[in-house]
Amino acid sequence: GQQVMQIPQYQHVQEGEDFTTYCNSSTTLSNIQWYKQRPGGHPVFLIQLVKSGEVKKQKRLTFQFGEAKKNSSLHITATQTTDVGTYFCAGPVTGTASKLTFGTGTRLQVTL
Amino acid sequence: SAVISQKPSRDICQRGTSLTIQCQVDSQVTMMFWYRQQPGQSLTLIATANQGSEATYESGFVIDKFPISRPNLTFSTLTVSNMSPEDSSIYLCSVVEGGTEAFFGQGTRLTVV
Repeated sequence: GQQVMQIPQYQHVQEGEDFTTYCNSSTTLSNIQWYKQRPGGHPVFLIQLVKSGEVKKQKRLTFQFGEAKKNSSLHITATQTTDVGTYFCAGPVTGTASKLTFGTGTRLQVTL
Repeated sequence: SAVISQKPSRDICQRGTSLTIQCQVDSQVTMMFWYRQQPGQSLTLIATANQGSEATYESGFVIDKFPISRPNLTFSTLTVSNMSPEDSSIYLCSVVEGGTEAFFGQGTRLTVV
């Protein structure tokens, strides 16, 4: 079945350092979404990318969708303690629009 | 954006018992989704709750273990039946708006002892 893997599983950075998580799907995706889950919280939508090679920015966050639409990345510049949480990519289950397959997630810890 | 109320927020249950989780959405939606998130893991889709028809279950999940009701377009329940410690997880309901963004309830943290 469709699998979505993320690396790294966990990263611990000092505040101010950059952070990147990579997402790879076993199948081509019609779109890729990113979610953030704070400790003890529920996933919250960050962004959706649709086009091959698309790049979107949200303040210190930069999202990319690969040319083959099978991989994506999230880069955070100058991390802050508020960035702590687990970041998940998610793509539609093949042949559906609303059912999502979530990536394995990357847990980010930021310390002062 | 959809607002989802899910309850209970947490519960500790005895093995062999059942727990019903409720999910209320502030708008009418065609499909509601139920996910399980095991400790430290990602989200796994359990089933899709459709109003007026049987829920659609994903591989590895069966109706006898996770019966779902969907009496109207704003409400759904998931029951975790005959619980064992392996069922200890966070259970999340979700809806998708505009074919894009998924919204989640606050989750139900279930511990089975």
